[in-house]
Amino acid sequence: ETGVTQTPRHLVMGMTNKKSLKCEQHLGHNAMYWYKQSAKKPLELMFVYSLEERVENNSVPSRFSPECPNSSHLFLHLHTLQPEDSALYLCASSPHVNYNSPLHFGNGTRLTVT
Amino acid sequence: DQQVKQNSPSLSVQEGRISILNCDYTNSMFDYFLWYKKYPAEGPTFLISISSIKDKNEDGRFTVFLNKSAKHLSLHIVPSQPGDSAVYFCAASFKDSNYQLIWGAGTKLIIKP
Repeated sequence: ETGVTQTPRHLVMGMTNKKSLKCEQHLGHNAMYWYKQSAKKPLELMFVYSLEERVENNSVPSRFSPECPNSSHLFLHLHTLQPEDSALYLCASSPHVNYNSPLHFGNGTRLTVT
Repeated sequence: DQQVKQNSPSLSVQEGRISILNCDYTNSMFDYFLWYKKYPAEGPTFLISISSIKDKNEDGRFTVFLNKSAKHLSLHIVPSQPGDSAVYFCAASFKDSNYQLIWGAGTKLIIKP
């Protein structure tokens, strides 16, 4: 496989459930990101990891918990979510954390919280 | 306050004609601008970028123009093709903030045959 792969593609969960989103990149990049895209709104940066170290936690509620075990894998652990958390969650990677380094995105996980 | 604005939610263009997608920004300190394209059920893909020290960058059918005095960015696609139908996002970044991209809300481009 090449590029950035996200699983699952779709997820429906209740507010009391615990689930995890997975992201894997096969590009040899050192930086990985989680973004949230809500309908008709700009992409919102959630978390940034550089060489497995978190460099940004963009005021994200604690019900979202990231994990980066190595530079190729990124997880987003979800628990006690709210219906307003329903959105498209996008994972991305880049060679380095750099202002002019284009991001490579996965196809996203469409999350619905019921 | 949205620092990067794409004021047209959608745009319809005839195949073969020029498509012009616009983006306005409020912060004159942005150092770099990028355009991404997104098809349904896929993630955004990088298209073209421009540094704030330039006013034009061209890559095949795609040209980005930067007008710093007007704080305006535009993406020209010539000629437009059916495969260009997608949502286009502009984004801006600062040198001092290595990872913080400020995104527009996107413009949906529809190429009519």
